[in-house]
Amino acid sequence: RKEVEQDPGPFNVPEGATVAFNCTYSNSASQSFFWYRQDCRKEPKLLMSVYSSGNEDGRFTAQLNRASQYISLLIRDSKLSDSATYLCVVNSGTYKYIFGTGTRLKVLA
Amino acid sequence: GAGVSQSPSNKVTEKGKDVELRCDPISGHTALYWYRQSLGQGLEFLIYFQGNSAPDKSGLPSDRFSAERTGGSVSTLTIQRTQQEDSAVYLCASSQAGAQYYEAFFGQGTRLTVV
Repeated sequence: RKEVEQDPGPFNVPEGATVAFNCTYSNSASQSFFWYRQDCRKEPKLLMSVYSSGNEDGRFTAQLNRASQYISLLIRDSKLSDSATYLCVVNSGTYKYIFGTGTRLKVLA
Repeated sequence: GAGVSQSPSNKVTEKGKDVELRCDPISGHTALYWYRQSLGQGLEFLIYFQGNSAPDKSGLPSDRFSAERTGGSVSTLTIQRTQQEDSAVYLCASSQAGAQYYEAFFGQGTRLTVV
């Protein structure tokens, strides 16, 4: 079983739609969680950290469920510019960031 | 500089040649990482530095791969006797000390093509 698993997609959604991605992790000792965004042929960039209480940044909401060992990302009112690959990242409390393979999102006009 | 800087941005090399990839992390970041991303794949961890020491080299795919970091700053990743399967984007990232709660910042990567 992979340490971090994501549905690769692609998720094709119309502009204005709400879309949600889940990511599961296998190490129950994992300490910190992030969502990164990666555009085609670009480096990953931090979208948001994921806190235990959940957090929101504009149209983006991240949730953590420790009992079920998953994190989620919700995007409301999707924009064309949201089209990208979204990477789930987990840190087990040491130094190593473990990346999921990413979920591709395409927002269609 | 303001961000993580990597050079060269693109490298085409012949099979069997050695290559050196350079990473200049964000000033003050003691943690430095090398990852590899093959086309359409996720990020594969290669090596981690804390200061100048590399406590985890477990991700290096073979003994043809080595990395060093000097002065707690610049790092070089060296691939000897390159093979076609080494073709990938090599990404460097840096993070603050006590890295687990801080995000990693990535450079733009070096796209390596072995022909």
